Amino acid sequence: DAGVTQSPTHLIKTRGQQVTLRCSPKSGHDTVSWYQQALGQGPQFIFQYYEEEERQRGNFPDRFSGHQFPNYSSELNVNALLLGDSALYLCASSSGTGATDTQYFGPGTRLTVL
Amino acid sequence: EDQVTQSPEALRLQEGESSSLNCSYTVSGLRGLFWYRQDPGKGPEFLFTLYSAGEEKEKERLKATLTKKESFLHITAPKPEDSATYLCAVSGGTSYGKLTFGQGTILTVHP
Repeated sequence: DAGVTQSPTHLIKTRGQQVTLRCSPKSGHDTVSWYQQALGQGPQFIFQYYEEEERQRGNFPDRFSGHQFPNYSSELNVNALLLGDSALYLCASSSGTGATDTQYFGPGTRLTVL
Repeated sequence: EDQVTQSPEALRLQEGESSSLNCSYTVSGLRGLFWYRQDPGKGPEFLFTLYSAGEEKEKERLKATLTKKESFLHITAPKPEDSATYLCAVSGGTSYGKLTFGQGTILTVHP
């Protein structure tokens, strides 16, 4: 049973560029959430997608946007990259959007902005 | 706003030396408290979900407990392979599927 997968593993960009990160959920899951984890910190919630719609959003600017496809996979887009966007970006999937649903994480994408 | 504080920030143990990690939380209507383990450069690995005060769950050398204000992760006779960062997260009545994480406890177990 394949778990959550993310691509690419690592990415290096320069300030002002745009980036797209991809995520495939665990088999049987229909909900994808994205988190940003700075070095030495806990993950911070960016947003959650269910039925191809953004259901909930954290305190992140509009430069962060996403999409969910009919097969439940998802993309995270970040525009006008800043040095502070350097972090590990984590995708988590769950079966449902409920607060009691366990979220399973992928390995993450390490983004470095120079 | 939901808040989670974990202590200590770092913990060093000798192999076989049992201890506990603490997770204090403030949330409006706790729906779930989640423990994860994270190895360096990898994504968090799910350990436990606790839903109500008094609940306990065990897995190998780990045992998680929950009260109305905090959760403990007890580690019995740890081994070097238990070395990792342990993350605690909560979901509340107003946050649906959003998880709020603490900063984690870095556990190092020396042989």
